[in-house]
Amino acid sequence: KNQVEQSPQSLIILEGKNCTLQCNYTVSPFSNLRWYKQDTGRGPVSLTIMTFSENTKSNGRYTATLDADTKQSSLHITASQLSDSASYICVVSAKNQGGKLIFGQGTELSVKP
Amino acid sequence: DTGVSQDPRHKITKRGQNVTFRCDPISEHNRLYWYRQTLGQGPEFLTYFQNEAQLEKSRLLSDRFSAERPKGSFSTLEIQRTEQGDSAMYLCASSLEILGTGGSNEQFFGPGTRLTVL
Repeated sequence: KNQVEQSPQSLIILEGKNCTLQCNYTVSPFSNLRWYKQDTGRGPVSLTIMTFSENTKSNGRYTATLDADTKQSSLHITASQLSDSASYICVVSAKNQGGKLIFGQGTELSVKP
Repeated sequence: DTGVSQDPRHKITKRGQNVTFRCDPISEHNRLYWYRQTLGQGPEFLTYFQNEAQLEKSRLLSDRFSAERPKGSFSTLEIQRTEQGDSAMYLCASSLEILGTGGSNEQFFGPGTRLTVL
């Protein structure tokens, strides 16, 4: 069964600190992996998208890594800001599935002053 | 703002009533997806369209649910005889799929419609 698992489920950090969120997946055949940020009550917004051949991608203070052999990904946030408080969702798509996305349950990040 | 709009943003209804949601995708996008998200969970796929053709429906989409995209532009999702278990955020996403890419292009999400069934 195609699944995406994320850890931790929730995380509280102080403003200015770094953090790393984890994602494990069993989706096959793998097409790409995305990280989305979802503010409360809003739709998800894409942060990064990586294909099989990419093992790191950055978007400002966000850096995603992908190990396609172990089927693991991480999202590293540096110098956190209060506005980073949101749910971060790891999303994987399989080849030839019409672009259908398989979502993890998300990591709820809270950045405190 | 991603360019995908959904209406209404919030809907409160009584059990047994019918509701209809609308999604307006980014204008040149040929694919449109519907997802459902319950509290504390990631979104789950419901159905998707390639232009006006509905190509796949999840088994989550019971016979009380119907989706249309009549002219290959906006889409509607109707829920008949709503149940309390239908309470969720309904998300729409659109993408521009280029033939041969296997459906891997970026999906842009709307803000969602929050449904509460009393």
